[in-house]
Formats: sequence, structure tokens, C-alpha cells
Amino acid sequence: GNSVTQMEGPVTLSEEAFLTINCTYTATGYPSLFWYVQYPGEGLQLLLKATKADDKGSNKGFEATYRKETTSFHLEKGSVQVSDSAVYFCALTDPTGGFKTIFGAGTRLFVKA
Amino acid sequence: DAGVTQSPTHLIKTRGQQVTLRCSPISGHKSVSWYQQVLGQGPQFIFQYYEKEERGRGNFPDRFSARQFPNYSSELNVNALLLGDSALYLCASSGTTGSYNEQFFGPGTRLTVL
Repeated sequence: GNSVTQMEGPVTLSEEAFLTINCTYTATGYPSLFWYVQYPGEGLQLLLKATKADDKGSNKGFEATYRKETTSFHLEKGSVQVSDSAVYFCALTDPTGGFKTIFGAGTRLFVKA
Repeated sequence: DAGVTQSPTHLIKTRGQQVTLRCSPISGHKSVSWYQQVLGQGPQFIFQYYEKEERGRGNFPDRFSARQFPNYSSELNVNALLLGDSALYLCASSGTTGSYNEQFFGPGTRLTVL
């Protein structure tokens, strides 16, 4: 079945450091891929998405590229800020899986000033 | 415009009781999905409804049921509550059921079962 695996956290970085959060997936069809962010005490917000192979999603300095050959969708940011501290979820939606969205377990990011 | 709204915000129940959670989607959105998020884990898909019909169901027991009304709002019902049902229940709406569509999440209902 479909699944998403992301790196375990927490990840602790200093401000202005480079961020990578790894995400790999398993899907039977051709999924769309998403990164969602959950700030403390808030609901999930879509951060970026990619709907086909080689697409690059980007938003707020974050980027992720849909790599079909490695079944990966790693999240990157060149210079993190304290305000980026949150939990990040990688997710996929596969129409052959009945349109449900499958989420990874989440990676908590702490950014120190 | 209002986002996805959910009620109540918090709920405390005891084992064996029944609970109803409510969700109002973004205006114009016809699809509503429900997710359970246990502390420290990612959301788990429970149901998706589109145009009042069930389009998807996750691996949850029959104690969980849902429905969608003509105005596209939705209710999630859980019967015979167990301690393990304690979680944040999230509702998400989208314009269609297309896999490329963004889902917009509500703030959730925090259910505690004692």
C-alpha cells in the first residue's frame, strides 16, 4: 500500500543554517506530493506541493523536488529562521488509493537564535 | 472569507460514550475529509465525502461514522468511545476530490476520553 517515511526528529539548527528534511514514499499510482507545516497550537497549513515527476514546489524559501527515480520529496531551505520552528509533514495523495491523503509521522524542527 | 471551522474546540468524554464532531468547509468547497491525529504522529485518514457521498474510508472500526449535509458541512460520530480514541480530530475541505488539490485544514477538535 501507499506510505510516506520521513526522517525522525527533532532537528535542531541554529538560525541561518541549511535545512534538509528527508521524505521518501511508496505509491501504486502517480501521486501528488505535499509538505504541510504545523506551528505550535495551530492546524496544518500547506507549505508546497508537486503534482508530477521533476516538478519543484516552493514557498517561503522552502523547496522540494518530486524525484520519481528515487521516490523522494526532500524539503530544503537555505537559511532557517527562529519562526520556522514547527512540525513538518510530508504527504501524498494517490487517486488509485481512493483520494485519501497519507501523511508521514512528522519531523519537529527547532531553530535557535 | 472564513476558513474551515470545527466545533467544539475541546471535548472530554468517558469510555463508552458517544461523540459528534462538526465541520464547516470553506464556502464553495464540496469535499470534506476527516483525520485523526494522535499526539506525536501524523494525521490518519478516516473518511472523505464529496457531494454528500462517501468517497473514501480509512482503516477505522465501524464505531466511526460520518455524513455530509446538503450545505456540505459534515459530522463525524464515534460510538462506544475507547481511551485510544483520544486525539486531535482534523477536518479538511477542498474544491474537488482531485489528487492534486490542496486541502485546507481546520484547527481541529481535541477529544479526551477518560
